[in-house]
Amino acid sequence: EIVMTQSPATLYVSPGESATLFCRASQTISSNLAWYQHKPGQSPRLVIYGASTRATDIPARFSGSGSGTEFTLTISSLQPEDFALYYCQQYNNRPQTFGQGTRLDLK
Amino acid sequence: QVQLVQSGAEVKKPGSSVKVSCKTSGDTFRKYAISWVRQAPGHRLEWMGGIIPLLGIANSAQNFQGRVTITADDSTTTVHMDLSSLGSEDTAVYYCARDRGGSYPGPLDVWGQGSQVTVSS
Repeated sequence: EIVMTQSPATLYVSPGESATLFCRASQTISSNLAWYQHKPGQSPRLVIYGASTRATDIPARFSGSGSGTEFTLTISSLQPEDFALYYCQQYNNRPQTFGQGTRLDLK
Repeated sequence: QVQLVQSGAEVKKPGSSVKVSCKTSGDTFRKYAISWVRQAPGHRLEWMGGIIPLLGIANSAQNFQGRVTITADDSTTTVHMDLSSLGSEDTAVYYCARDRGGSYPGPLDVWGQGSQVTVSS
């Protein structure tokens, strides 16, 4: 199965700053990559799919890029509600696999 | 607004089985696949398997083959996930999610609220 590796494990940022999260696939997955936001006590929320397409109702400050094996999620001008855990997921092959997550925390 | 509504929390004995249900809308049932994803404490999200409800075609991750059964009931537009031979490692929150991929894997764009399953003697 494809192994997804995210970095860093935790990213400390202040509101208003930008954050860049990284995700690497163990083999090429084209652009079949999604990002999810996960807050405690809530269900994961789709943020980006197709590596760069924002999901419904996701603000424009979220952007995704990459293809093949290297991907990034950038959140510009961080808002208080953006502090959460973020997972990447590949859906190029079954089983779909997730990264271990990056926690976005207040500096 | 599209919703997936899951059944409630369960406490099970080791070696037993659990059935988690996911109520969908008719539109979701007819047009999309449903995947099951779980998250054990301290672990990443893990895809377990999925089904195309309209066709009744299910598949599961190799890690769960032989233990997980995913079915769809068109009379109630509900998808069920049965997991057998439970062990403590199956203690987790189980989610159903709408899979935009259909026959192929896809992004999961609508999630149920999650069902806590606790396995304890």
